[in-house]
Amino acid sequence: DTAVSQTPKYLVTQMGNDKSIKCEQNLGHDTMYWYKQDSKKFLKIMFSYNNKELIINETVPNRFSPKSPDKAHLNLHINSLELGDSAVYFCASSPGQGDSPLHFGNGTRLTVT
Amino acid sequence: GDSVTQMEGPVTLSEEAFLTINCTYTATGYPSLFWYVQYPGEGLQLLLKATKADDKGSNKGFEATYRKETTSFHLEKGSVQVSDSAVYFCALSDKGYGKLTFGQGTILTVHP
Repeated sequence: DTAVSQTPKYLVTQMGNDKSIKCEQNLGHDTMYWYKQDSKKFLKIMFSYNNKELIINETVPNRFSPKSPDKAHLNLHINSLELGDSAVYFCASSPGQGDSPLHFGNGTRLTVT
Repeated sequence: GDSVTQMEGPVTLSEEAFLTINCTYTATGYPSLFWYVQYPGEGLQLLLKATKADDKGSNKGFEATYRKETTSFHLEKGSVQVSDSAVYFCALSDKGYGKLTFGQGTILTVHP
């Protein structure tokens, strides 16, 4: 069983469109995250939710809106897509304590044309 | 704020060579330190971790020691294999909700 699964794996869309990426974890973790990896492999946290509550929002544009319907799911909706949004987006989960490692999904490669 | 600096890549080695990837950090308090590895087309996987000063993390022949005095967590392996080719990330956690701050990643390529 995949521990952290993201869909879709690839997403190609045009500027101005709205798209969503879904993430689910079956590890029973309380905390979930979205990270963005740019073309130079740099990873930066975007959001974190703990038990469905937003706890980290790292100055991400308002066009990005995370939604956590329950603690096993954290979806990412992006409005009015821009060229600069092209990246690989990783979902991750953890039990929430600082010593605990994160478990990552395999990523969603978003390409905006 | 917290930050992590890794040595510039890419790093290219021959099989059985010795590997060192340098990592230094800046943080308030006493963070936990991690090395993650990303194989092509996959997400990140935990390679090893250390939670306090002088701890040594080890896994799959890789080692790193938490050095508080030099704020470093260098990754080493005595004899690399072709299968070790990947991107390696050093990271620290703020011990709050586990938010990770990553270094810029180091691409390692090992040739037969």
